[in-house]
Amino acid sequence: DIQMTQSPSSLSASVGDRVTITCRASQGITTLLAWYQQKPEKAPKSLIYAASSLQSGVPSRFSGSGSGTDFTLTISSLQPEDFATYYCQQYNNYPPTFGQGTRLEIK
Amino acid sequence: EIQLVESGGDLVQPGGSLRLSCAASGFTFSTYWMSWVRQAPGKGLEWVANIKQDGSEIYYVDSVKGRFIISRDDAKNSLYLEMNSLRAEDTAVYYCARPGDTSGSYRYRFDYWGQGTLVTVSS
Repeated sequence: DIQMTQSPSSLSASVGDRVTITCRASQGITTLLAWYQQKPEKAPKSLIYAASSLQSGVPSRFSGSGSGTDFTLTISSLQPEDFATYYCQQYNNYPPTFGQGTRLEIK
Repeated sequence: EIQLVESGGDLVQPGGSLRLSCAASGFTFSTYWMSWVRQAPGKGLEWVANIKQDGSEIYYVDSVKGRFIISRDDAKNSLYLEMNSLRAEDTAVYYCARPGDTSGSYRYRFDYWGQGTLVTVSS
């Protein structure tokens, strides 16, 4: 199975900050990577697919990049509603696997 | 509006059984692969199983093979997960999830999720 490793595991930031979360795959996955946002007691929400394509309705302050084994999720200017846990997921290989999550907290 | 609504979660003893359901609406259910994804309390996400549009292909994560059965009823726009020989480590919120398109090429990309249903395995 492909291992997905996110860093950092947790992050404190302030409203207006620019934040970057990294996801590394244990082997190459081309650009078949998705990012999800999850708020407490809620279902995950799809933000980005194909490493850099924004889902419909997702604010443009979210962006993704990368290919192969190294990927990033960037939030250009944090808003109060962005404080949540973020997960990356590869869907290039069976079985699909998720990162362990990055908890984004208010500083 | 696309909706996925899970039900059937409960407290069950180790070794017991449970059947989860997912009611789909707002899209043509029969044309999509469908998956179950779970999340243990305070933990990350784990894909559990998926089923092709016509039920001809089914896949499971190794930890549930031989114990769980995924099925679908396209006439009822419903997805099911029959869970047998339940273990404490199966305790989780179980989500029904749908990919972004019908092609199957990206069947493991989960664009839509239900709200989840909690399964607790404990004596």
